[in-house]
Amino acid sequence: DGGITQSPKYLFRKEGQNVTLSCEQNLNHDAMYWYRQDPGQGLRLIYYSQIVNDFQKGDIAEGYSVSREKKESFPLTVTSAQKNPTAFYLCASSNRVGIYNEQFFGPGTRLTVL
Amino acid sequence: EDKVVQSPLSLVVHEGDTVTLNCSYEVTNFRSLLWYKQEKKAPTFLFMLTSSGIEKKSGRLSSILDKKELFSILNITATQTGDSAIYLCAVRSAGNNRKLIWGLGTSLAVNP
Repeated sequence: DGGITQSPKYLFRKEGQNVTLSCEQNLNHDAMYWYRQDPGQGLRLIYYSQIVNDFQKGDIAEGYSVSREKKESFPLTVTSAQKNPTAFYLCASSNRVGIYNEQFFGPGTRLTVL
Repeated sequence: EDKVVQSPLSLVVHEGDTVTLNCSYEVTNFRSLLWYKQEKKAPTFLFMLTSSGIEKKSGRLSSILDKKELFSILNITATQTGDSAIYLCAVRSAGNNRKLIWGLGTSLAVNP
């Protein structure tokens, strides 16, 4: 089955800890994205990557970091510098960053900071 | 600044009703508008509308794009409880590194 997987589904961390969220896709998509979703805020772009070994900051990149060492994988690290990390995190991919390509989403990771 | 505005923010209807969700946008160099449905988890793609495809239909769902007035509507006829979800609208422009600009969504609740 082709698709996007994210793990874990739920994640709890203590303040001051870094945590890494996994995102894997087997759709052979070039572009991958990380979004954060908060109630009443819609989807906000954190980071995106158009190709392996390259990524760009989105609108709210502060306190986050990413890597893109493999085409299939785009992990997101939420660092202790992120002041309000509790949120629902969505990973997406698309064939390429084109004007006629829809994004496909993973099931999301809900992060709670205790 | 590019923006996408959806209305209403929330809506409650009864099964069998018809609903119309709105998405207006202000972007430079518009290229496409996308509709997604989000239930508990991942948004799922519904439609993409472009200059060459301003009307789409799939079963009870349909959508049109008005490029002159800069808005789109998503229509759902004969609603069912399974239509309860958040409906998200996103717009892509040629600029802005082709990122999607998202609206806040419309939360639809269909009661039996």
